[in-house]
Amino acid sequence: TQLLEQSPQFLSIQEGENLTVYCNSSSVFSSLQWYRQEPGEGPVLLVTVVTGGEVKKLKRLTFQFGDARKDSSLHITAAQPGDTGLYLCAGATFGSNYQLIWGAGTKLIIKP
Amino acid sequence: DTGVSQNPRHKITKRGQNVTFRCDPISEHNRLYWYRQTLGQGPEFLTYFQNEAQLEKSRLLSDRFSAERPKGSFSTLEIQRTEQGDSAMYLCASSLTTGGSPLHFGNGTRLTVT
Repeated sequence: TQLLEQSPQFLSIQEGENLTVYCNSSSVFSSLQWYRQEPGEGPVLLVTVVTGGEVKKLKRLTFQFGDARKDSSLHITAAQPGDTGLYLCAGATFGSNYQLIWGAGTKLIIKP
Repeated sequence: DTGVSQNPRHKITKRGQNVTFRCDPISEHNRLYWYRQTLGQGPEFLTYFQNEAQLEKSRLLSDRFSAERPKGSFSTLEIQRTEQGDSAMYLCASSLTTGGSPLHFGNGTRLTVT
């Protein structure tokens, strides 16, 4: 069974602080996607990382794909209340060209 | 960009009743997915269509669940004889055919079975 473990499960910090969310697996992925979901809405894609070691930046968000393509991290600099939400990672496997393996998510709350 | 549309947004039903949800994907997307999500968890795969063909159905999905995509455009998900454990958010997503293509989600249908 392929698993994608996210940590932490829950994080509550003050505005302005930095944080990192991790997504780890024993499986190798062809690509990995990060989504953010707000209450009552569907997940929205933030970024897709494809190459081992790849780093992508989206304003204050930095995404990194591990060299071995088994793990990924999301770092947020100077978090703002608008960053509050459920962050989900999802890995695409080589054995399937349609099914994503989903993490359970990290619930992030940024307090003003 | 009309996005993925799901109806209804909320459904409250009594145990034992049947319910049907509709999903209208992004028009040029061949793939359509149904997921179930409970509070604070990631999406759980239910089933997947490539055009009108249902190519995969989760082993976790009981026979009470059925999905169709008759013309390769919109899709319906029906749950027969609902149980309280069916209460969840039902999400529809669509994507292009390319493996690993990002999913575009609708805002879901929240089902409450009383």
